Amino acid sequence: DAGVIQSPRHEVTEMGQEVTLRCKPISGHNSLFWYRQTMMRGLELLIYFNNNVPIDDSGMPEDRFSAKMPNASFSTLKIQPSEPRDSAVYFCASSFGPGGNQPQHFGDGTRLSIL
Amino acid sequence: KQEVTQIPAALSVPEGENLVLNCSFTDSAIYNLQWFRQDPGKGLTSLLLIQSSQREQTSGRLNASLDKSSGRSTLYIAASQPGDSATYLCAVSFRSNDYKLSFGAGTTVTVRA
Repeated sequence: DAGVIQSPRHEVTEMGQEVTLRCKPISGHNSLFWYRQTMMRGLELLIYFNNNVPIDDSGMPEDRFSAKMPNASFSTLKIQPSEPRDSAVYFCASSFGPGGNQPQHFGDGTRLSIL
Repeated sequence: KQEVTQIPAALSVPEGENLVLNCSFTDSAIYNLQWFRQDPGKGLTSLLLIQSSQREQTSGRLNASLDKSSGRSTLYIAASQPGDSATYLCAVSFRSNDYKLSFGAGTTVTVRA
């Protein structure tokens, strides 16, 4: 079982640059979540996909953030343009089933630093 | 607002002692509650999931209880080991949005050899 795979593990870039984070969920899982973790705000849900369709994007902080899930095995989270306050650890998680009845499996995260 | 609180923020115990971690939530209309473990630089690992209709779940040395009426859950780790050192997070989903987890800030545990 490969688990949820995220890339890159670390990203350091300058303010204003475009950042793309990638996620491969566990095969067979049809729910995918993007989270952001900071010391100040803890873990926050950014967006939730079910069967590749965005169901809840109310946690996406601004229009600078966008997420896509073109197929069941791949999702991206894009920030354009990036700002220093976007620095955080971004996690992708997947689960089997549409609701909250199944455990969510997390990737190891992408540590993003915007200078 | 649906809030999840974990106290204490940090805990240090000698090896062999039982661990008791607390989680409280403000809305009794929960869907389920999950306990996660996070190691430094890593993602979260799901430990136990308790459905709202359940009172407890057990896995090996871990036992989690749920009391909806008082808005509390407790994670017990028996006979702690240095390998149990990590941050433990409680996450609650509520019936209004059953997929959406509200996380506590976590309790960082250190087990001293």
